[in-house]
Amino acid sequence: GIQVEQSPPDLILQEGANSTLRCNFSDSVNNLQWFHQNPWGQLINLFYIPSGTKQNGRLSATTVATERYSLLYISSSQTTDSGVYFCAGTTGGGNKLTFGTGTQLKVEL
Amino acid sequence: ETGVTQSPTHLIKTRGQQVTLRCSSQSGHNTVSWYQQALGQGPQFIFQYYREEENGRGNFPPRFSGLQFPNYSSELNVNALELDDSALYLCASSRGGGGPRTDTQYFGPGTRLTVL
Repeated sequence: GIQVEQSPPDLILQEGANSTLRCNFSDSVNNLQWFHQNPWGQLINLFYIPSGTKQNGRLSATTVATERYSLLYISSSQTTDSGVYFCAGTTGGGNKLTFGTGTQLKVEL
Repeated sequence: ETGVTQSPTHLIKTRGQQVTLRCSSQSGHNTVSWYQQALGQGPQFIFQYYREEENGRGNFPPRFSGLQFPNYSSELNVNALELDDSALYLCASSRGGGGPRTDTQYFGPGTRLTVL
């Protein structure tokens, strides 16, 4: 199966700072998604982004499918952004989401 | 529009017992996927159901089984529980037809299972 690596594994920011999270895939992926998992375990959809760039408020994401990576940008971070960020995708004709290793983000005042 | 719901929220079982977890899909969604998330790890795909049939399975033993009902809700059953089954179990629904391009998956709040 595909391998999904995320970096950095851990990140501590001061409120108001910007950050970039990266996701690398070992093979071509379809249906790439970014999620935020809050401290209570809820996975919240951030982006469905198999290619191109999307923006939603302070968050934006870019996927370069030909180079097998995706980036998640967080601007003007807030304490509520804390949690674990996962990327995930499917491969070939498959229907299972393979998740990355996650980035644990903590935003401090 | 109602989101994905799961029950129960928490569950404690002992080794060897059986457990049933439940999931109600989001309105308009006909596909349900189940994932297991161990502490500190990303979710791992268990299986997916589309129109009441299993439509893909991850690397989990047969004691993990499921059902999907005509209203697209779903159950995950685990027999002969082992200590390593302790995890957060997540259900996700999507509009996808189970074909090559699954649609965006929306997750429920999860059921936290502890096996003692």
